[in-house]
Formats: sequence, C-alpha cells, structure tokens
Amino acid sequence: DAKTTQPNSMESNEEEPVHLPCNHSTISGTDYIHWYRQLPSQGPEYVIHGLTSNVNNRMASLAIAEDRKSSTLILHRATLRDAAVYYCILRGSGNTPLVFGKGTRLSVIA
Amino acid sequence: GAGVSQSPRYKVTKRGQDVALRCDPISGHVSLYWYRQALGQGPEFLTYFNYEAQQDKSGLPNDRFSAERPEGSISTLTIQRTEQRDSAMYRCASRGLNTEAFFGQGTRLTVV
Repeated sequence: DAKTTQPNSMESNEEEPVHLPCNHSTISGTDYIHWYRQLPSQGPEYVIHGLTSNVNNRMASLAIAEDRKSSTLILHRATLRDAAVYYCILRGSGNTPLVFGKGTRLSVIA
Repeated sequence: GAGVSQSPRYKVTKRGQDVALRCDPISGHVSLYWYRQALGQGPEFLTYFNYEAQQDKSGLPNDRFSAERPEGSISTLTIQRTEQRDSAMYRCASRGLNTEAFFGQGTRLTVV
C-alpha cells in the first residue's frame, strides 16, 4: 500500500474549523483516500472517503488536490468529542485491508 | 447484534498458556480483519478473510499466531504459548461488499 504522511499532532479551539492534512505523493490511480478516527478507548471508526472529487458527509468534508498527491480532512466546527487520532489511509478497490500509520492526534480546547 | 462483537473484552493469561480470541462480525459481512494495537500506536494488520478463506496472513508475527473462520462468520484468533510481548489490544473489523469497515471494541490481552 502507498504510504501517507500526517502531522503527529494538531490542536484546535472548540467550534473552530479544523483542517487535517495528509500527503500521499505515491498514490496510484486506483487508490481511494480513506479517513478513520479513533476516539479514546474506542475502536477506529469511518469518517469519509473519496477518489478524485471533494466529498461531504454529516461528519466532515474531504478536499482532494487536483493531482491527488494530498488531501485535507475538514471538520467544520470542532467539538470536544472530536478529540481523537485521525488516520489517512490509501486503499485500492476490493476488500484489501486498511493499513494504518500513526495518524494525527487532534486535541480540542474548550 | 448491530455491531462487531469481540470476546472476551479482557483476558489475563500466564506466559506459556494458549488463548483464543473471538470475533463475531456484522451479519452478512464478507470480509473480516484482525489487527493488533499497542498503546499509542495505530492498529497493525495481522490477517483477513473473505468468507471462510484466509486471504492474507502476512501480518501474523510468527507461527504461534493462527486464525480461522470456518463457516464464514465467527472468527477465532489463537495465540499459542503466549509471551509477554503478545500483550496488546486485539481488534477485529468486518466489512460488507460496499461498506466501510466496522471495528469491534477489542480484546485487551495481558500476559503475565
């Protein structure tokens, strides 16, 4: 699987937008960009995924660069419950496993 | 149940004993994945199944680790002759044909 690079940690104020970056310069044409997050003492949970176009769902937005070598997860209004480790993962089609890196630990300050 | 269920939630075992960790995936999910997670690290892939067929076991650390999913539903991860370094959180996830992966709460294994 192609690798991703994320900052180790980020901090945000509550109710402010958060932009979590991910670099994936070796992405292949068939790789989807997935984001999962892991709340304290919980298993990872799905956030969003995309291939080429920007994506929005109830949890977040995903902005994908035109050359697909980077992407940004956007939390529009961070809450204390969004404090978690966020993982950016590349995965091809089919049911191949997710390969996790170290992710970005997001702290949200009240 | 509605989610992925793992049992036991906590397991303390003596070094040298065998342990079996169980994963009950979401009903109908084709794929089942096992991960191991050390404190402060991301989940580390161990093995996965499509239906009852083990597709990839490249992540299993050594031959003391094995997994099975005989009927394409419940899976068991077995660790023989446990060692202290096997202590970790073991997580299971399942995925349907066109769904994201859903993770269970994990089994915390402590080898003393």
